[in-house]
Amino acid sequence: KQEVTQIPAALSVPEGENLVLNCSFTDSAIYNLQWFRQDPGKGLTSLLLIQSSQREQTSGRLNASLDKSSGRSTLYIAASQPGDSATYLCAVLNGGSQGNLIFGKGTKLSVKP
Amino acid sequence: DTEVTQTPKHLVMGMTNKKSLKCEQHMGHRAMYWYKQKAKKPPELMFVYSYEKLSINESVPSRFSPECPNSSLLNLHLHALQPEDSALYLCASSPLVGRAPFLSQHGLKVCLFFGPGTRLTVL
Repeated sequence: KQEVTQIPAALSVPEGENLVLNCSFTDSAIYNLQWFRQDPGKGLTSLLLIQSSQREQTSGRLNASLDKSSGRSTLYIAASQPGDSATYLCAVLNGGSQGNLIFGKGTKLSVKP
Repeated sequence: DTEVTQTPKHLVMGMTNKKSLKCEQHMGHRAMYWYKQKAKKPPELMFVYSYEKLSINESVPSRFSPECPNSSLLNLHLHALQPEDSALYLCASSPLVGRAPFLSQHGLKVCLFFGPGTRLTVL
């Protein structure tokens, strides 16, 4: 059974700092991995999607990497801003599934001005 | 139009009420999903519709009844809910759903787009 773990559970950094969020998964037979952002009480915003054949994806200040063989992904946020404060969720789509994303519990990020 | 909309945003209901949650997308996606998210927990899958047919029911109690009237709409009918059913209910859609070999042969991305959710409180 696929399990997704995110470390750390919470992170507080000063504005301007570069930071890395970690995600690991137990079954490497994934189709893709998706990073989401969720603001309190709100829905999920898709940030980046990495196909299983890809190593990384970039969007603005965000860079996500994927090492499928070791079951790891990282989300790198450059020059963090207070507006980046949110919970970041990692989710994998298993190779044999029908669209069932398996989510980690998320990392709650707080960027202090 | 690249978004998933959900109504209502908030819903308060008693245990004897019947209500419905609605979800709509106009991206031409043929897969639609209901997820349930309790406070401080990750979303958990409830139902998947593929080409307007129910393809996954994650052992959800019958007091939750999904309906997919057409490829753009997804409903979740609620009846005789319990206070522990209070949660954020998220709808999502994706371009295609199916088994991985089919998807990879066609090089299609299965990326889920989520709506803003309905905050449900059961009294």
